Amino acid sequence: GAGVSQSPRYKVAKRGQDVALRCDPISGHVSLFWYQQALGQGPEFLTYFQNEAQLDKSGLPSDRFFAERPEGSVSTLKIQRTQQEDSAVYLCASSYSSSTDTQYFGPGTRLTVL
Amino acid sequence: DQQVKQNSPSLSVQEGRISILNCDYTNSMFDYFLWYKKYPAEGPTFLISISSIKDKNEDGRFTVFLNKSAKHLSLHIVPSQPGDSAVYFCAAKVRSNYQLIWGAGTKLIIKP
Repeated sequence: GAGVSQSPRYKVAKRGQDVALRCDPISGHVSLFWYQQALGQGPEFLTYFQNEAQLDKSGLPSDRFFAERPEGSVSTLKIQRTQQEDSAVYLCASSYSSSTDTQYFGPGTRLTVL
Repeated sequence: DQQVKQNSPSLSVQEGRISILNCDYTNSMFDYFLWYKKYPAEGPTFLISISSIKDKNEDGRFTVFLNKSAKHLSLHIVPSQPGDSAVYFCAAKVRSNYQLIWGAGTKLIIKP
């Protein structure tokens, strides 16, 4: 079956631009996670959805970051007024039901802010 | 404050030999540990996990060992194959929680 997909795979933005990153989780997966991975580091948790409810956004680094999952499937991570420090790979993961189930990851979106 | 540490950025092993990847953690609340494998331009893929009630879990060529007193775990790959060349991430969590805390990864290179 289809895995987690993310688009775009690569995004170059000028400092100050807004960007939107999309995640299509595995069909039927209830839980969805966003992570930020800086170069040479492991992924860091950003936010967690259970269906359409955003239950945890404690990892979002600033109020310029916003995530939504309005119908409980596709999710969008939006970054407003991008800064150079936002350059990273943004990973999306989904899991079947419980938030404690194994997480399956998409390929990520590599964001470069110039 | 890094709660999960992988102190070896890279490791080179001859094909057919054993690969041993190490991971240390500081948070004694962690009770579930996972290894993920990542190829370039792909997302991490779950490999194997272990609960803190066990000290060993085996799945084919992959075995994870957990030493709770030392707060240390290791991943053994025997025998190592060229397709095992990838970055390996150790991750830890409190089992009832969803937040994974990740190490920085170890790049494993299998030499033919």
